[in-house]
Amino acid sequence: AQKVTQAQTEISVVEKEDVTLDCVYETRDTTYYLFWYKQPPSGELVFLIRRNSFDEQNEISGRYSWNFQKSTSSFNFTITASQVVDSAVYFCALSEALKGRGSTLGRLYFGRGTQLTVWP
Amino acid sequence: DVKVTQSSRYLVKRTGEKVFLECVQDMDHENMFWYRQDPGLGLRLIYFSYDVKMKEKGDIPEGYSVSREKKERFSLILESASTNQTSMYLCASTSIRTVNTEAFFGQGTRLTVV
Repeated sequence: AQKVTQAQTEISVVEKEDVTLDCVYETRDTTYYLFWYKQPPSGELVFLIRRNSFDEQNEISGRYSWNFQKSTSSFNFTITASQVVDSAVYFCALSEALKGRGSTLGRLYFGRGTQLTVWP
Repeated sequence: DVKVTQSSRYLVKRTGEKVFLECVQDMDHENMFWYRQDPGLGLRLIYFSYDVKMKEKGDIPEGYSVSREKKERFSLILESASTNQTSMYLCASTSIRTVNTEAFFGQGTRLTVV
């Protein structure tokens, strides 16, 4: 069965600190997709990144970077030089690949989320 | 701009009422999902649909039903609302036509049952 674990419930940092949000997943599928979403106080889910299981290349986007390691089943997210606007709940999610439907996205399995608070 | 639209942002209903939460997407997506979000529990899947008139139970379907009469619309129904269904409800959709995509979410409906 698929499972996503975000062990950090809450993290508080001061502006300009670097912060890493951990995500560990479990799946028996060989093809799957990993996601990070941001949920600011307004409530909408903002897509940050998708990673395919066959692509272990790490990614950097501005102050955001992601470290995908299949050997440890982890997909960690780092914010460099954090800012107050980064304060939000961050969700890691895993999607199965739909067999018989072109290995496209199935349902998402979410972690419980990490509340990040960045203080000025 | 692609969109998943939920009919209400905030909703207050009384115990025992039948409640309809509507979700419409304009991306011609095949797959649609209803999630419930509670503090400390993340998002949990209630029901999903991979095609018109098709539905499958998710992890917490009790007390809910769904309807998908048209491809673009997926309705969540609370047959008899109870206070433990007070929650944030999120609708999502995905496409089967490409693997390089994401799940698109609506803005959420905060339902309070009193």
